[in-house]
Amino acid sequence: QQPVQSPQAVILREGEDAVINCSSSKALYSVHWYRQKHGEAPVFLMILLKGGEQKGHEKISASFNEKKQQSSLYLTASQLSYSGTYFCGTEDAGGTSYGKLTFGQGTILTVHP
Amino acid sequence: DGGITQSPKYLFRKEGQNVTLSCEQNLNHDAMYWYRQDPGQGLRLIYYSQIVNDFQKGDIAEGYSVSREKKESFPLTVTSAQKNPTAFYLCASSMRPRQPQHFGDGTRLSIL
Repeated sequence: QQPVQSPQAVILREGEDAVINCSSSKALYSVHWYRQKHGEAPVFLMILLKGGEQKGHEKISASFNEKKQQSSLYLTASQLSYSGTYFCGTEDAGGTSYGKLTFGQGTILTVHP
Repeated sequence: DGGITQSPKYLFRKEGQNVTLSCEQNLNHDAMYWYRQDPGQGLRLIYYSQIVNDFQKGDIAEGYSVSREKKESFPLTVTSAQKNPTAFYLCASSMRPRQPQHFGDGTRLSIL
């Protein structure tokens, strides 16, 4: 079962902040985040592996609450280049899905000048 | 430059025809993956391979087949059994399973 992302879409002005959430019904080993611009390949942003872990990448950071089976992606002081569709990919805990990611349906982020 | 090359960029399939999508990587990655993306949807895993000469079915393997005879190559065949093949197909690789995945530019497959 695929993770659920929210919101489905968000529109921002440059400089505003956004949060994208990813929730799973299963216990998770890891969460990956990717960004895909229209007509292009997805690009890796970050992996979160442990409960409560937070990582950063420029002005984009993420957290992973293992207990709640959720991850959130934080985009601060958004730039025009942040526009695109953001996907979370989750790997189930338990070992039977070793290396296998299940992706959410995506969140479309649009940043206006 | 290291990367993943998918070919062709556009492919058209006739009814009852098998077609093969190419995926080659020169990143020396062990793991390779095939995903299907439909408009407005996420990525769905078709097949993945963690090592040469081994591969596993993903969530939507029916109507598809793969081989992994060489580390750098992971071709995907869309068979005539796949009744709705029109989609964007993405190949990815990672150094090891569970590591970040790097994607090719994709192949867009349509039915004639």
